[in-house]
Amino acid sequence: GQQVMQIPQYQHVQEGEDFTTYCNSSTTLSNIQWYKQRPGGHPVFLIQLVKSGEVKKQKRLTFQFGEAKKNSSLHITATQTTDVGTYFCAGPETSYDKVIFGPGTSLSVIP
Amino acid sequence: NAGVTQTPKFQVLKTGQSMTLQCAQDMNHNSMYWYRQDPGMGLRLIYYSASEGTTDKGEVPNGYNVSRLNKREFSLRLESAAPSQTSVYFCASSVPGHSNQPQHFGDGTRLSIL
Repeated sequence: GQQVMQIPQYQHVQEGEDFTTYCNSSTTLSNIQWYKQRPGGHPVFLIQLVKSGEVKKQKRLTFQFGEAKKNSSLHITATQTTDVGTYFCAGPETSYDKVIFGPGTSLSVIP
Repeated sequence: NAGVTQTPKFQVLKTGQSMTLQCAQDMNHNSMYWYRQDPGMGLRLIYYSASEGTTDKGEVPNGYNVSRLNKREFSLRLESAAPSQTSVYFCASSVPGHSNQPQHFGDGTRLSIL
């Protein structure tokens, strides 16, 4: 069946370093979403990418959707302690009412 | 401005006990979802409801039942709890549509089965 994978599973960075997480789907996606979950919290929607090759920025966060619409990445420039959490990508399943979440990348930032 | 409200926030059960997790949203969303989250496994869909009166199985439905009571409420029931059902349960809602609308999550229910 359809799968969404993410690497790495965990990442520990020194504050100020950059961070990237990668998301790969086994099938072509019509769009992809990114969510952030702080420790002890719930997932919060960050952004949605729709177009092939699309790049969107939110302050220090840069999101990219691959040309083939099967992969995506989230890059954080100069990490801060407020970036700590787990980042999930999610892609629609064949039924447009459901999405499949990747396993997430857990980011730790060392002050 | 509540969004998605889940009750209870914490619960400890003994094996074999039953309980119902409650979820309500005030955003007039048609679609509602129940997920479980286990370490290293992301969010796995248990059941979802595309609209009032309809429910469908997700990836891991065994051991659970759901009820879409009305447009606002979507409950999840464990008939006979098992230790394997120890998890964090999230309810979410969204506006349905072909563009795959963002999901809004509740704060979660942390459930332990002894």
